[in-house]
Amino acid sequence: DIQMTQSPSSLSASVGDRVTITCRASQNISPYLNWYQQKPGTAPKLLIYGASTLQSGVPSRFSGSGSGTDFTLTISSLQPEDFATYYCQQSYSSPPSPTFGGGTKVEIK
Amino acid sequence: QVTLRESGPALVKPTQTLTLTCTVSGFSLTTSGVSVSWVRQPPGKALEWLALTDWDDNTYYNSSLKTRLTISRDTSKNQVVLAMTNMDPVDTATYYCARVSGYGLMDAFDMWGQGTMVTVSA
Repeated sequence: DIQMTQSPSSLSASVGDRVTITCRASQNISPYLNWYQQKPGTAPKLLIYGASTLQSGVPSRFSGSGSGTDFTLTISSLQPEDFATYYCQQSYSSPPSPTFGGGTKVEIK
Repeated sequence: QVTLRESGPALVKPTQTLTLTCTVSGFSLTTSGVSVSWVRQPPGKALEWLALTDWDDNTYYNSSLKTRLTISRDTSKNQVVLAMTNMDPVDTATYYCARVSGYGLMDAFDMWGQGTMVTVSA
């Protein structure tokens, strides 16, 4: 199975900060890397798919980049509603065997 | 409007079989490129994919749980069912069903149900 490792596991930031979250895969998964946002008590929400394509309705302050095994989610200017946990997920495996990273919790400084 | 809704027991006893139902609307289970998965999340922990059924009724399972899982669908009822045998307290989690959209969306989980919390306890 493909292992996904996120870093950091948590971070503290202020409104307006630029935030970067990293996800590393145990093998090449390009470009089958997706990012999700999850707020407490709610289901995850798809933010970015294919490493860099913004899902419809997601604010443009979110962006994704990377290739091969290393990927990044960036929030250009953190907003109050962005405090949440973020997960990466690979959809490269065939037959399907998707795996998620361990999550990054973004907290208020 | 696409929706997914999970239903099932909130409490099961150890060794029992858990059966969860995902009822979908706004899309067809037989549309090419569309699949439905089950994903779980223990309290305070990360997401874990469990199983998937695709538009052609092919099924796939998490290799570490494969012997305990069965996913099936009833297209006439727009439902996907997950059965998990031999439940243990470590299986306590919120269980989600999610639509997986292939082709342009790169098999991302683009729509999720609200989740159902299952506690395993005697």
